[in-house]
Amino acid sequence: DSGVTQTPKHLITATGQRVTLRCSPRSGDLSVYWYQQSLDQGLQFLIQYYNGEERAKGNILERFSAQQFPDLHSELNLSSLELGDSALYFCASNKANTGELFFGEGSRLTVL
Amino acid sequence: ILNVEQSPQSLHVQEGDSTNFTCSFPSSNFYALHWYRWETAKSPEALFVMTLNGDEKKKGRISATLNTKEGYSYLYIKGSQPEDSATYLCAFGNTGNQFYFGTGTSLTVIP
Repeated sequence: DSGVTQTPKHLITATGQRVTLRCSPRSGDLSVYWYQQSLDQGLQFLIQYYNGEERAKGNILERFSAQQFPDLHSELNLSSLELGDSALYFCASNKANTGELFFGEGSRLTVL
Repeated sequence: ILNVEQSPQSLHVQEGDSTNFTCSFPSSNFYALHWYRWETAKSPEALFVMTLNGDEKKKGRISATLNTKEGYSYLYIKGSQPEDSATYLCAFGNTGNQFYFGTGTSLTVIP
């Protein structure tokens, strides 16, 4: 158990819909990262938050947004879903620069 | 978007063989290089965190080296066992504390 909690574990929805994925980082970790893993792709960096503020954006679509709340949990919002958004979405957290990332178990999104 | 490359993409070895993988990354804005082990149906777990040029880390039969000047890291597994079968990911950490992953090397150890 990494200490990072993600919900839901599985989600099936239709094109055009909107979903929210939730992540609770390890106790004391201020940084939260979101990654997307699509079929045959590696982990694509989406976005990073540090202590409630957006720190960096990666390959994140405009239809996607995220935030980190004062209690440090984070949510990834995916809207106007397309078939290609079907993927495994991972959240990870760490304490400080260079520190190893601790991953949640991922949220598997299927868009039909 | 940074380009982190891993090779080979996949590898099948016999139990007892030693093997190694390569991770190449940009040499600019380097802060850290991580190796992760990712088993099927689980989430990635860190093996090594390396920050200094010339770093060598070891954990049991697995070791890693780092060359930040030329932008590569090697992961070695000595005497592979079936339980070593997994995908091995490297992640380049830049000075902004973002981490960019390679696509991984999938290792299968045949008993």
